[in-house]
Amino acid sequence: NAGVTQTPKFRVLKTGQSMTLLCAQDMNHEYMYWYRQDPGMGLRLIHYSVGEGTTAKGEVPDGYNVSRLKKQNFLLGLESAAPSQTSVYFCASSSPRPWQPQHFGDGTRLSIL
Amino acid sequence: DAKTTQPNSMESNEEEPVHLPCNHSTISGTDYIHWYRQLPSQGPEYVIHGLTSNVNNRMASLAIAEDRKSSTLILHRATLRDAAVYYCILKAYKYIFGTGTRLKVLA
Repeated sequence: NAGVTQTPKFRVLKTGQSMTLLCAQDMNHEYMYWYRQDPGMGLRLIHYSVGEGTTAKGEVPDGYNVSRLKKQNFLLGLESAAPSQTSVYFCASSSPRPWQPQHFGDGTRLSIL
Repeated sequence: DAKTTQPNSMESNEEEPVHLPCNHSTISGTDYIHWYRQLPSQGPEYVIHGLTSNVNNRMASLAIAEDRKSSTLILHRATLRDAAVYYCILKAYKYIFGTGTRLKVLA
C-alpha cells in the first residue's frame, strides 16, 4: 500500500546545478500537485496537473518546470538551482471529486548551497 | 480562490476538548471544507471534510455554521500526539494552504 512515493528523500545541490524530483502514485488519481514548504510556513502550490499530459501553474511556479507524461508520475525539475529554492517539497495526488482528500508523500528535503 | 483565516496558534491541556476555528467568508456553494493536520517532519494528513452538515469521524468532528462562512474542528479529547499544525482548506480543484493553526497540547 505505497500511496504517494517521493524520490529522493534528501538532496544537497550546489547553486546552478539541475535536478529532477520524482513523484509516483499508485491510486490511479487524475490530479497531482507539487508544493514547497519553507521553515515555519504553510504549503505553497508550485504546479499541478489535472490529467496525463497536462500541467498548470500554482502560486509560486517561477524557477520550476513539471511534466506528467504518465498518469502515475509527476516530475518537478529545477533547471538552475538557487539558494532560495532550499525547502521541503511535497507531492500529493487526489481524485477530481471535491469531497475526496489529497494524499501526500513524505517529502523531499532539498538544500542548495 | 476562496481564502480561509485561522488563528496562528492555540494551546490545550491534555484530555480536554479543543475547538479550532476557521473563517471562510468568501466560500462558494460548491466548496467543500477540508481539514488537514501536519505532524512534525511529516506531510499533511487528511482529518475530515464537510459541505453543509456537521460531520463526525474517528479522528474529530466538524461543525459548519449555517451560513457556511465559518467552521470549527473539534478534537474531543486532546492528546500529546495531536500536537500539530491544522489547516482549514476550501477545495475546488486545487488546494490553497494558509499557514494553519499550530496546536500545542500541554501535559
